[in-house]
Amino acid sequence: NAGVTQTPKFRILKIGQSMTLQCTQDMNHNYMYWYRQDPGMGLKLIYYSVGAGITDKGEVPNGYNVSRSTTEDFPLRLELAAPSQTSVYFCASSYPTRTISYNEQFFGPGTRLTVL
Amino acid sequence: GENVEQHPSTLSVQEGDSAVIKCTYSDSASNYFPWYKQELGKRPQLIIDIRSNVGEKKDQRIAVTLNKTAKHFSLHITETQPEDSAVYFCAAQLVFGTGTRLLVSP
Repeated sequence: NAGVTQTPKFRILKIGQSMTLQCTQDMNHNYMYWYRQDPGMGLKLIYYSVGAGITDKGEVPNGYNVSRSTTEDFPLRLELAAPSQTSVYFCASSYPTRTISYNEQFFGPGTRLTVL
Repeated sequence: GENVEQHPSTLSVQEGDSAVIKCTYSDSASNYFPWYKQELGKRPQLIIDIRSNVGEKKDQRIAVTLNKTAKHFSLHITETQPEDSAVYFCAAQLVFGTGTRLLVSP
């Protein structure tokens, strides 16, 4: 299994440009997440999804959009990029059980985004 | 919403010493408390977790304790080794602390 994969690894955007960060997992996990990690800080939840067709906002959703059309894929869309969106973006997935919603999250390798 | 505070922000110890990192949370409904280790330039990886129906959990040199009444949980690493050097994050469900940079000197 490849686990959680993310593309691209690095990207530089100009202010006002848009882009999509790709995330794919091959572990058949229902739950998927997007986090951003600013330098020297913890992870902030942007959006999450508990299954195909279902998405919810996290702590810092402004300026981002997501979709979940399949179990495997959870792309993150940045519209009108701003310097404040310069960060490292991590995608993650986890597997809920019948009685437990939260379990270990498996993270992708991250995408380092710079907005100039 | 949930708020997680983590202390200290940096921790330096000698090899073989113990290290303790502490976190507090605000939402009494939170019931899952993982700890992640992140090496420089790498992704976070789970090292241990605890649920609210358990007070303590151990895995070799690592242990986590949870005090639900006080809304505190702590990570304990014994017999530290240089390869333990990394940033450690606590979380209450999906809300993360700001991290502790642990440096273990030989």
